[in-house]
Amino acid sequence: GAVVSQHPSWVICKSGTSVKIECRSLDFQATTMFWYRQFPKQSLMLMATSNEGSKATYEQGVEKDKFLINHASLTLSTLTVTSAHPEDSSFYICSARPPTPHTDTQYFGPGTRLTVL
Amino acid sequence: GQNIDQPTEMTATEGAIVQINCTYQTSGFNGLFWYQQHAGEAPTFLSYNVLDGLEEKGRFSSFLSRSKGYSYLLLKELQMKDSASYLCAVMDSNYQLIWGAGTKLIIKP
Repeated sequence: GAVVSQHPSWVICKSGTSVKIECRSLDFQATTMFWYRQFPKQSLMLMATSNEGSKATYEQGVEKDKFLINHASLTLSTLTVTSAHPEDSSFYICSARPPTPHTDTQYFGPGTRLTVL
Repeated sequence: GQNIDQPTEMTATEGAIVQINCTYQTSGFNGLFWYQQHAGEAPTFLSYNVLDGLEEKGRFSSFLSRSKGYSYLLLKELQMKDSASYLCAVMDSNYQLIWGAGTKLIIKP
């Protein structure tokens, strides 16, 4: 089946620094990638939708200047948490959607656990 | 390698009961999640099992057997709105989520 990877798996950083998280589709081209945030035992909260070659679409309440998303290629999207603060500590999950005709399917990454000290 | 298996698609009748199975092989185990995802929407958390047994939450129940690497999601009194994809995910020893491909559940009147 389709594989999506994330790097790093874990990251601990100091408050005020920036952290970049990568999401890669390993065996398919993903025209669309999604970034989610998950709090313990809660639903995934969609942060933004990233389309290759265009600007990401952010969900209401998500600061686009704080969570920078770049989808420079069909297999890679990055999420950069700028000037991270302890409240940004969370589990960030990406998913990737193959091109048509499989547009309803998303393949999820393993997640990146961010801890901001 | 790590693997999660669940059926690709299931069909059931409104008002009936359906059981969606999930088997897993992972390096370590820190809990199993079930999510519901409607097309075009983010996955919604349904359940989390870390100990063996059945957890009931309204019309939905989730069962886990760690020794068998097996879980199921039981949906009772099916409603049309239950038509969705159901995702099984296991958290491994590194607290990484290993995802199943999802089971598309189709409810017929």
